[in-house]
This record gives sequence, structure tokens and C-alpha cells, in this order.
Amino acid sequence: SQQGEEDPQALSIQEGENATMNCSYKTSINNLQWYRQNSGRGLVHLILIRSNEREKHSGRLRVTLDTSKKSSSLLITASRAADTASYFCATIVYNNNDMRFGAGTRLTVKP
Amino acid sequence: ETGVTQTPRHLVMGMTNKKSLKCEQHLGHNAMYWYKQSAKKPLELMFVYNFKEQTENNSVPSRFSPECPNSSHLFLHLHTLQPEDSALYLCASSQDTTVGLGAFGPGTRLTVL
Repeated sequence: SQQGEEDPQALSIQEGENATMNCSYKTSINNLQWYRQNSGRGLVHLILIRSNEREKHSGRLRVTLDTSKKSSSLLITASRAADTASYFCATIVYNNNDMRFGAGTRLTVKP
Repeated sequence: ETGVTQTPRHLVMGMTNKKSLKCEQHLGHNAMYWYKQSAKKPLELMFVYNFKEQTENNSVPSRFSPECPNSSHLFLHLHTLQPEDSALYLCASSQDTTVGLGAFGPGTRLTVL
């Protein structure tokens, strides 16, 4: 069954703007991850944030985790056309056997 | 390149055919996974192998049969599929089953006629 749910389902912005995507989940988790998928391709792992962490950075990416609200956000700063992709959050309760993905946010960055 | 390869990249098969999907990783990972990605649906975990042992079968119909001969190779044998099985089948690997998914393959686009 689906655990993470991303919103918005689709987001369209201009190059240079920031993009924020949110993920909500239902049960307590061990960690939460964000992935990117270019059209019809495999997923690329972006960031893993553990349940005892509140924020992580990687380049232009910033991920926050609020376990009290059971939610996470992915911020992409200074977006580029190449950031156009679908972004998924995935939660792990115990291990990868129970990893569950959301339906994703489709981000379009217009040049 | 992520270090995980899948063949074939595209496959069209009839409902009575038998085919196999292949996944290979050279990352030294010990866990491998099959996921199904259908249009407008979240990724569905199908099977997990950890150190060549199957640790998860997520209620997958028996017309899908996985095989993991060693830690580097994973197969998905297909038999008597249905049109609703048409999807992108993704293979992934990780160091073990506790650290999240390290790498995905590009997927096999399967169409069942």
C-alpha cells in the first residue's frame, strides 16, 4: 500500500526559481528518501534523511523532515531545465523490504 | 550510468509467451530488487533478494517468477502474462536491505498484447 504521498502532483516553474515538493506519510519511519526519475528511466537516489534528522543539504537540494507532522519537503534552489523530472519520496519503516514510494511530483522547469 | 544494467530495454510479448528480464549490477551490492512502475501509480515492490535469498514477495502473482543465481544477477521470468502487466519493470540494488536503494537500472518497458 502507498505510504508517502507527494504534493503537488505537478509543478511548473521558470528556470531560476525555487521548487518545493512535499511528502506526507502515515506511519512512523526509520528514514525517508527522495528520488528523481527522468521520463521512462530508472530512479536516481538524491538524499536520505533519518528520523532523528531535521534537515539535510546536497548541492542545490535541501530536504527537511518533520516527524511530528509526518511530512518532508524537498527544495530545489535556482532550478534548471535539466531538473525537469518526476520526484518521489520513499519511506522505510524497518528495512528496504517495507520501502514504499509515493506517486511522485512531476516538475517542469521552463527555460 | 548507475552500475545497474537491464536487458532488454523494451519487450513486446503475447499472453502465451515466456520471456525473461535480466538485471546485472557490478557495484558489489548484496541486495537486489524488482519494482513495477505502472502509469499514474506508485512504484510497487515485487521481490527482494538479500545475499541471494528471497526476503520479500509482495503478493506477486505466480506468473512472475524471480531468480537470483548470485549477488550480481537477478532475473524475472514471465509466463502467461496479462495486458495489465504492461509496465516499466525496474531493477534496483543496495549494499544491504537497511540502507535504502543505492542504484536503479534503466528499466525494461514491457508491453503485453
